[in-house]
Amino acid sequence: KQEVTQIPAALSVPEGENLVLNCSFTDSAIYNLQWFRQDPGKGLTSLLLIQSSQREQTSGRLNASLDKSSGRSTLYIAASQPGDSATYLCAVLRSNYQLIWGAGTKLIIKP
Amino acid sequence: GAVVSQHPSRVICKSGTSVKIECRSLDFQATTMFWYRQFPKQSLMLMATSNEGSKATYEQGVEKDKFLINHASLTLSTLTVTSAHPEDSSFYICSARDLRGGIETQYFGPGTRLLVL
Repeated sequence: KQEVTQIPAALSVPEGENLVLNCSFTDSAIYNLQWFRQDPGKGLTSLLLIQSSQREQTSGRLNASLDKSSGRSTLYIAASQPGDSATYLCAVLRSNYQLIWGAGTKLIIKP
Repeated sequence: GAVVSQHPSRVICKSGTSVKIECRSLDFQATTMFWYRQFPKQSLMLMATSNEGSKATYEQGVEKDKFLINHASLTLSTLTVTSAHPEDSSFYICSARDLRGGIETQYFGPGTRLLVL
């Protein structure tokens, strides 16, 4: 059974700092892994998608890595801004095309 | 990226009424759509997999007679919460499976917030 864990559950850092969010999964048989952002009461925004054959993806200040062998992914946010405050979710896509979600990391960037 | 819409975005209803939520893939055909629900401060939970032209597959613990799913076309799936009760109040999100270009991904709707009084 695939399980996805995100650590920490919450994180608060001053503006301008670089930070790393962690996601681990128990079964390495995945199609891809996605990172999402969710603002309070809102839907999901897809940030980065890493295919199982890829090692990392970058978009602006965001960089996501994937290590299937160790069952880990990280989301690196450079030069954090207050607008980055949100809950960040990672999800893995299983071979039966179902997404398994982590519980999320609530990020607060203090001005 | 592709666009998935949900309607309504927010609904308030009285206990005992039924509520229908629509999920549409606007620029691609989706043979498979998924319905999730999210309680406050919790992760998303997959409720069911909706396949065009066939019955939905429900996850364990999800009542199929309570949450009716219809996927009548390649661009539309509907979730009907029947005889809604306050404990059904939640955030419901749909996604549509996209296989274009041979790459598997899912695009998410903006969500529907249901409040049952």
